[in-house]
Amino acid sequence: EVQLVETGGGLIQPGGSLRLSCAASGFNVRSNYMNWVRQAPGKGLEWVSLLQTDGRTYYADSVRGRFTVSRDNSENTLYLQMNNVKAEDTAVYYCARDGVVSLYGMDIWGQGTSITVSS
Amino acid sequence: QSALTQPASVSGSPGQSITISCTGTNSDVGGYNYVSWYQQHSGKAPKLMVFAVSGRPSGVSNRFSGSKSGNTASLTISGLQAEDEADYYCSSYTTSSTLVVFGGGTKLTVL
Repeated sequence: EVQLVETGGGLIQPGGSLRLSCAASGFNVRSNYMNWVRQAPGKGLEWVSLLQTDGRTYYADSVRGRFTVSRDNSENTLYLQMNNVKAEDTAVYYCARDGVVSLYGMDIWGQGTSITVSS
Repeated sequence: QSALTQPASVSGSPGQSITISCTGTNSDVGGYNYVSWYQQHSGKAPKLMVFAVSGRPSGVSNRFSGSKSGNTASLTISGLQAEDEADYYCSSYTTSSTLVVFGGGTKLTVL
């Protein structure tokens, strides 16, 4: 079965760091464009980051310079390193699979992991 | 403020058809065919309903269809069913510094 499972969420203080994991099964994360998308409580979806198959990375303006996306091919896992977190980073974070050679549409989503930034 | 503009809400009766619009610019919706639509039920992860403007993933009902004219993309749901009640989001590639943008979402109510 093709699926994604996110872990690593929790309560974190402003300015702190946290790493989210997204374990894939049924396909290889290195073979697809992989996204992180978040949703603040009661709000809409916000794209956060993309890791292309060739290793290039892209970020939303709101997180660039603070968040880093990466993958471990041997573990078949996508990561999101979150540094210097802010209250506005509070959200459910989803990882989502995209196309093989380009953006196509996010066809597989994880269940999400919740991050709360608060002192 | 979202980069793509969607109506906050739409409604329809069972069996009717509704259309949700998604308006952007030449830098996103109007310039590329990388528009997708997602359905999200309360408390659940989003689900891809349409890719590349009008493509339909395997397993998605043919009651869902996508189109685009100029800078506006549209999602049409025909033969409305109670289970279609959800939030719907459009998304597009963009040439702005943010690579991908979502619309603000549209809440569909089936009366």
